[in-house]
Parts: sequence; structure tokens; C-alpha cells
Amino acid sequence: AQSVTQLGSHVSVSEGALVLLRCNYSSSVPPYLFWYVQYPNQGLQLLLKYTSAATLVKGINGFEAEFKKSETSFHLTKPSAHMSDAAEYFCAVSPFSGGYNKLIFGAGTRLAVHP
Amino acid sequence: ETGVTQSPTHLIKTRGQQVTLRCSSQSGHNTVSWYQQALGQGPQFIFQYYREEENGRGNFPPRFSGLQFPNYSSELNVNALELDDSALYLCASSNRERANNEQFFGPGTRLTVL
Repeated sequence: AQSVTQLGSHVSVSEGALVLLRCNYSSSVPPYLFWYVQYPNQGLQLLLKYTSAATLVKGINGFEAEFKKSETSFHLTKPSAHMSDAAEYFCAVSPFSGGYNKLIFGAGTRLAVHP
Repeated sequence: ETGVTQSPTHLIKTRGQQVTLRCSSQSGHNTVSWYQQALGQGPQFIFQYYREEENGRGNFPPRFSGLQFPNYSSELNVNALELDDSALYLCASSNRERANNEQFFGPGTRLTVL
């Protein structure tokens, strides 16, 4: 069965510092991988996705993630945090199964950015 | 292009009641997925509808049911509500014929069961 583990339920960084949010996945086949962001009282917004093309994926708002098959990881990074980045971040995997694509989410990481 | 919309935004019910949540899919999409997001957790897949038929189901009891209409909008019905059903319910639409089948999420319906 596919699963996603996000290390660290809370991450706090200073404005301008590097953001690193960790995600490890378990999948028997090469998966699709996603990072979503959720602002308070809102739905999910796609930041970026890996679909077996380039292993370094660039997304919106300056975020990027690198797919590392040997480490089964898909960590999210941003070189310089902004106050507006404070939100909940979810890593998700979409397995090839049954002709449909459900998303399996991690538990989320809440990012706090302080001045 | 109209995005995914959900109604109502908030809902309060009592235990044992029934509830219907609604979702309008994005233009050009034919697949709707429903997720339950309990407080402090990631979304959990409930089920998916494609061309008006259930096309995959997560680990949810039969009292969670759904419909998809010819215009690809969808309803989620929950019978015999329990306190643990309190959550944010998210709808996502996608186009199954597109290679990466990206899902676009609505803002959600916050259900509180008292």
C-alpha cells in the first residue's frame, strides 16, 4: 500500500531563511507526487507536482522539490521564506491503481514564519 | 474558467441526522473526488465519481454515499451522523482523460456534528 510520511508536524523559520519540509513516500511503482498548500479556512492549492519527467520540479511562489528515488523522498524547499508562506503544507502521492487516481496525503506540516 | 465550488460553506448538524454536501466541478472536468479532512490531519479519500458512477472508494462505511449528475456536479450524502464526522469535506475535480489527472480542489464545507 502507498503511504506518505511528513517529518515534523511544525516547522518554524525566520523570514528570509531557507524553508525545508520533508516528505518520504512508500510506493511499489513510480508514483506521481504532489505538494499542496492550505491557508486557514481554505481548500488545497497545488504548489508543484512530479510526473516522472525532470526530478527537480519548480512550482509556484518560489518553491521547488526534488524527487530522489533512492531515498524515496520528495522534500519541498524555498531559498528565502516570506511571511505569506505561513500555512499548512501537504505532501501527497497518487498511485497507478484501478484506473483512477486517488490522492494519499501525509499528515501535514504547519510552517510558521517569524520576523 | 470557473473553479470548483462547494456549498454550503459551513453546516451544523446533530448526531443521527443526515446531510448533503454539494460540489460543482471545474469546466471541462468529468471526475469528482471527495475527501474528509479531520482537524489537524491530512485529507482522507472517501470516493470518486466518473461519468455518474462510483469509481473507487476509500475506507469509509456505506452511510457515506454520493451521486454525480450529467453536468458532472456531485453530492456527498452522510446518513446517521456521528460526532467523528465533524470535519472539512473537500471536493476535487479532474479530467480523467488527461495524462496526469491533476485534481483541483474546492474551498470545502466545514461540517460540525453536535
